[in-house]
Amino acid sequence: GAGVSQSPRYKVAKRGQDVALRCDPISGHVSLFWYQQALGQGPEFLTYFQNEAQLDKSGLPSDRFFAERPEGSVSTLKIQRTQQEDSAVYLCASSWGSGQGDEQYFGPGTRLTVT
Amino acid sequence: LAKTTQPISMDSYEGQEVNITCSHNNIATNDYITWYQQFPSQGPRFIIQGYKTKVTNEVASLFIPADRKSSTLSLPRVSLSDTAVYYCLVGDHGNNRLAFGKGNQVVVIP
Repeated sequence: GAGVSQSPRYKVAKRGQDVALRCDPISGHVSLFWYQQALGQGPEFLTYFQNEAQLDKSGLPSDRFFAERPEGSVSTLKIQRTQQEDSAVYLCASSWGSGQGDEQYFGPGTRLTVT
Repeated sequence: LAKTTQPISMDSYEGQEVNITCSHNNIATNDYITWYQQFPSQGPRFIIQGYKTKVTNEVASLFIPADRKSSTLSLPRVSLSDTAVYYCLVGDHGNNRLAFGKGNQVVVIP
């Protein structure tokens, strides 16, 4: 079956622009996660959804970052007024359940470059 | 979340067995040990998970000593395509956020 897909794969934004990154999780997966990965670093947790409910957004770095999953499937990560420090790969992952015991399936990521 | 420590990088020759170590001195009773693999330009991929002793699947083996303060991921007969970053993670099943750290860059040499 299809895995997690993300779009666009690459995004270049000028500083100050708003961007929207999309994640299509594996069908039927309850949990959806967003991570940010800077160059040479491991992924850092941003936020977590269980169905349509955003249960943890403690990793979002500022109020410029906003995520939604209105129907419990597709999710969008929005970054307003992008800054150069937002340049990173944004990874989406989904899983059947809600604990670390459940394998998370990752998408290929969206590489965001802010110029 | 328990912190993990891994070597930054290591090289191995094609066809050899590779053992990748991870230190987690502050592991809690309820914590499991999970390993992910990440290829360039891809998201991480789950490899294996264990609690104690030894776990084996079609890809790798995971060795965990009795004190659980470390673990070793073993990859049999690596090929060039096993070149990747390997992450060791520790956490309990009630915790849904993964804490990756910097991982261990493994390079397989022909």
